Amino acid sequence: KAGVTQTPRYLIKTRGQQVTLSCSPISGHRSVSWYQQTPGQGLQFLFEYFSETQRNKGNFPGRFSGRQFSNSRSEMNVSTLELGDSALYLCATRPRGLDTEAFFGQGTRLTVV
Amino acid sequence: KNQVEQSPQSLIILEGKNCTLQCNYTVSPFSNLRWYKQDTGRGPVSLTIMTFSENTKSNGRYTATLDADTKQSSLHITASQLSDSASYICVVMSFFNQAGTALIFGKGTTLSVSS
Repeated sequence: KAGVTQTPRYLIKTRGQQVTLSCSPISGHRSVSWYQQTPGQGLQFLFEYFSETQRNKGNFPGRFSGRQFSNSRSEMNVSTLELGDSALYLCATRPRGLDTEAFFGQGTRLTVV
Repeated sequence: KNQVEQSPQSLIILEGKNCTLQCNYTVSPFSNLRWYKQDTGRGPVSLTIMTFSENTKSNGRYTATLDADTKQSSLHITASQLSDSASYICVVMSFFNQAGTALIFGKGTTLSVSS
């Protein structure tokens, strides 16, 4: 059974640009959650999508947005990048909601210069 | 404020030794607590998940305990191996309203096992 696939693995962008990250879930998993991980803050919850609808949202500015497609694949977009957005972005997929076990992808390492 | 505090922040032990990592939380209402292992450059992998009524759960050489009264959890690693070197993250799930849930993450303990 294929795992969670995140693309790209590494990305370098300049301030002010925008970026789109992709997450392909395990087959049959309908819930996709996104997290930002930095050395200082640890893992922080961004948002969760289930059946193409955003179901939960963390405390991040509106520059962070996402969507989910009918095949459960999800994308996360960050606009007007800031240096502080440099982080490892992880997605986790679940069969259903946040109360079921999460399987994480390898992450996308975003560096903003 | 819902918080998860882990200690120590980092730990170095010799291969073959045991160690215990701590997690204290102030999350309410409480749903469950999970321990994850994250190797450098990889995504976290679930070790255990414990609900309110569970006191102990084992996964191989990893044993997690939960005291819901004192809001403390520990992860005990027995006979450590070099491959145990990783970051261990404690995550508490809470219900913040009828429609949603919240995950509160600790900042992790970085364990280094040396030979």
